[in-house]
Amino acid sequence: SSELTQDPAVSVALGQTVRITCQGDSLRSYYATWYQQKPGQAPLLVMYGQNNRPSGIPDRFSGSGSGSTASLTITGAQAEDEADYYCNSRDSNGNHVVFGGGTKLTVL
Amino acid sequence: QLQLQESGPGLVRPSETLSLTCTVSGGSISSSTYYWGWIRQPPGKGLEWIGTIYYAGSTYYNPSLKSRVTISVDTSNNQFSLKLTSVTAADTAVYYCARLYGGNSGVFDYWGQGTLVTVSS
Repeated sequence: SSELTQDPAVSVALGQTVRITCQGDSLRSYYATWYQQKPGQAPLLVMYGQNNRPSGIPDRFSGSGSGSTASLTITGAQAEDEADYYCNSRDSNGNHVVFGGGTKLTVL
Repeated sequence: QLQLQESGPGLVRPSETLSLTCTVSGGSISSSTYYWGWIRQPPGKGLEWIGTIYYAGSTYYNPSLKSRVTISVDTSNNQFSLKLTSVTAADTAVYYCARLYGGNSGVFDYWGQGTLVTVSS
């Protein structure tokens, strides 16, 4: 199997742009998927595929990827974006799933 | 609107078997479009994929848990279930069931609210 690596914590000033990254060999073959999790809540899908946002996710969220790195960008971060963010993908096996360790985003 | 709801004991004794059921409402578990999965999250830690099942019975398990995990589906009741044997304190976690969008894609688009299972004597 493979692993996905995320920075444990990132901070951003209110209204500024922040990029959360996810690194792993499986991302050379499969897109990353991104989830937002607030305390006491289930994860929420915010980005999948090449750059697809589920209905209801603000367009300040965008996704990109290159090589073994995927990124979730929040352009104009809001206070309500403060949360843990997790990436995942299919692993090199293709039928298994792997999650990153998560990034805690603080909006200052 | 699709909804998933986990159910099962909140306390399991060490060395015993953890059993949870996920009931799906607002959609059919037998849809050919979707797979279904279990994910867990130990207190204060990250998400861990446990396994995935298709309504026809195909299953895929996390290699680190494979020897102890069984996921099954009950299409007549629109449910799927998780069994984890020989549990220890390390299996204490919030357990989530979720739907996989677009096949065995790794994209979990609908999640249950989660249920905390504590392993303790």
